[in-house]
Amino acid sequence: QKEVEQNSGPLSVPEGAIASLNCTYSDRGSQSFFWYRQYSGKSPELIMSIYSNGDKEDGRFTAQLNKASQYVSLLIRDSQPSDSATYLCAVRTPDNKFYFGSGTKLNVKP
Amino acid sequence: EAGVTQFPSHSVIEKGQTVTLRCDPISGHDNLYWYRRVMGKEIKFLLHFVKESKQDESGMPNNRFLAERTGGTYSTLKVQPAELEDSGVYFCASSHGILVHEQYFGPGTRLTVT
Repeated sequence: QKEVEQNSGPLSVPEGAIASLNCTYSDRGSQSFFWYRQYSGKSPELIMSIYSNGDKEDGRFTAQLNKASQYVSLLIRDSQPSDSATYLCAVRTPDNKFYFGSGTKLNVKP
Repeated sequence: EAGVTQFPSHSVIEKGQTVTLRCDPISGHDNLYWYRRVMGKEIKFLLHFVKESKQDESGMPNNRFLAERTGGTYSTLKVQPAELEDSGVYFCASSHGILVHEQYFGPGTRLTVT
């Protein structure tokens, strides 16, 4: 079983819609969760971190964490074509190791 | 503030040769991490430095890989001798301190072993 699971996609949404990206993790003791955006051929860019249950909003992005369900999500409101990228979920486990999911490819269609 | 830098951006070497990758973290970041992404797979942890000390090297594939961080500044990752399965993109990331876990990635080095 992988430490972090993501649907590889592609997830296609029309411009202006809400994109919902999901991630599950296996280590129940994990405390820190991150979303990275990676454009093709580029390095991962940190867009959100979340540590507590609930929602955390930053501009058009909202990260949601449910530790009981071991589930993290990222919502992108008013999706733009420039949001088209691969979104990586990362988790820090209690032994301070970081695990990444394989990423979900998002396509925002104009 | 300059971001994480890595050198070279690309390297093509033959099996059996040696390659050294370099990472310069964000100034003041004590934590430095090396990761590798093999085609079609997820980014995998290799090792973690805190200043000049290896905090965790459990992800290093084998003893052909050697990482150093002289003086707690830049880090090098040497592969000797390189094998075909070492091909991939090697990322370096840094973070400020133990309580701050946000990691910032460098552009990566694409290594191709032929």
